[in-house]
Amino acid sequence: AQTVTQSQPEMSVQEAETVTLSCTYDTSENNYYLFWYKQPPSRQMILVIRQEAYKQQNATENRFSVNFQKAAKSFSLKISDSQLGDTAMYFCAFMKQVGGGSNYKLTFGKGTLLTVNP
Amino acid sequence: SAVISQKPSRDICQRGTSLTIQCQVDSQVTMMFWYRQQPGQSLTLIATANQGSEATYESGFVIDKFPISRPNLTFSTLTVSNMSPEDSSIYLCSVVRLDTEAFFGQGTRLTVV
Repeated sequence: AQTVTQSQPEMSVQEAETVTLSCTYDTSENNYYLFWYKQPPSRQMILVIRQEAYKQQNATENRFSVNFQKAAKSFSLKISDSQLGDTAMYFCAFMKQVGGGSNYKLTFGKGTLLTVNP
Repeated sequence: SAVISQKPSRDICQRGTSLTIQCQVDSQVTMMFWYRQQPGQSLTLIATANQGSEATYESGFVIDKFPISRPNLTFSTLTVSNMSPEDSSIYLCSVVRLDTEAFFGQGTRLTVV
C-alpha cells in the first residue's frame, strides 16, 4: 500500500518570504502522479501543482515549484514570495492507476497547516 | 477541468437520522469517489462509485452505514445512515480525469447533535 508522509503538521512564514513544505511517499510503482492540494477555510480542495513521475523536470506554477526526487521518493513544495492568501492546509497526494481503465487511487498525507504572517 | 456541484454545503442533523449528499458533475465520468475528512484531519476514502455496479468500499466503511447510488455517469449520492456524533465530518466527492488531476466538490460539513 502506498503511504504519504508530511512531517510538518504546522509551519509559518512571513509575507514575501519563501517556505518549503516536505513530503515523502512510499511505493513500488514506477508510473504515478504526485500533487499538492491547498484547502483554505472554505474547505474547497484546490490543485496547486502536479508532477508526473516519468518527467524528470520539476513542475513549476508561478510562485509554486516542486523538488521531485524520484529515487529518494521525495516531493517538496516551495512557495516563493508568500502571500496572505496562501494561508491554508496543504496536502501532498499520490495517485496511481488501479487495474485497467480509468480507476485511480488517491492517497493523501496528513497535511501541513501553513500560516502566512503579515 | 471538471465542475462538481455538491449539496448540501452543510447540515445539522439529529442522531439516529440519515442524510443524503448529492454530487453532480458537469461531464460524464466513469468513477466517482467519496471521502470523509474529520476535523483537522486528512481525507479518507470511503468508497468508489462506478455507474451500473455496486460501490467498492474501503476498509472500515460498510454499505449499510454509507449506501451509495450511481444512477448515471454524472451523478452520485452518499447517504450517512443512523448518524451519531462520531459521523460529524466534512464529506467530499471527487472525480479523476485521465492524466490530469482529481477534482473535488465543495464539501458537505455535517454536524450530528
